[in-house]
Amino acid sequence: NAGVMQNPRHLVRRRGQEARLRCSPMKGHSHVYWYRQLPEEGLKFMVYLQKENIIDESGMPKERFSAEFPKEGPSILRIQQVVRGDSAAYFCASSPYQETQYFGPGTRLLVL
Amino acid sequence: DAKTTQPTSMDCAEGRAANLPCNHSTISGNEYVYWYRQIHSQGPQYIIHGLKNNETNEMASLIITEDRKSSTLILPHATLRDTAVYYCIVRVADKLIFGTGTRLQV
Repeated sequence: NAGVMQNPRHLVRRRGQEARLRCSPMKGHSHVYWYRQLPEEGLKFMVYLQKENIIDESGMPKERFSAEFPKEGPSILRIQQVVRGDSAAYFCASSPYQETQYFGPGTRLLVL
Repeated sequence: DAKTTQPTSMDCAEGRAANLPCNHSTISGNEYVYWYRQIHSQGPQYIIHGLKNNETNEMASLIITEDRKSSTLILPHATLRDTAVYYCIVRVADKLIFGTGTRLQV
């Protein structure tokens, strides 16, 4: 079985551009979670989604960040008007309902 | 904020057991303890989890104290490939609350 897939693995953006990060959950998993890891820090929860629903977005910055998990296709984390402070590793995890979360390899975002 | 406390770093000789402690004194009765590890900057890898009882799988053993205020992850025969940052996590609802972890050097 394929694991959680994320793309791109590396993304470079200039300040003010938009970043789109994609996550395909493991087969049979309908729950997706996004985490952010700043350099030399642990992962921080951002958002938890089920198909077509945002369940918990308590860790999402109030502006510029949004997430979706449509009925068809991958989950998308979108960052508008990126700033240098958005440079980080963004990890996606998936799980069946209320079970163990399995992580993808992450997307490294660098904002110039 | 993380609900766990772990030593910043530990060393272990190859072939020996690695015992990684974790304190979670404020854990609630229905909150699970999870262990993940992160090798270099890869995605966190699930190791094991438990609620009250000790658990064992092909990777490790998890010993949880009777009062559930602390636990120990045991890697029975550490190898160089086990060098990583190990995170002890209390799962709160559907969130994993990561701390800074223990950097294990084998």
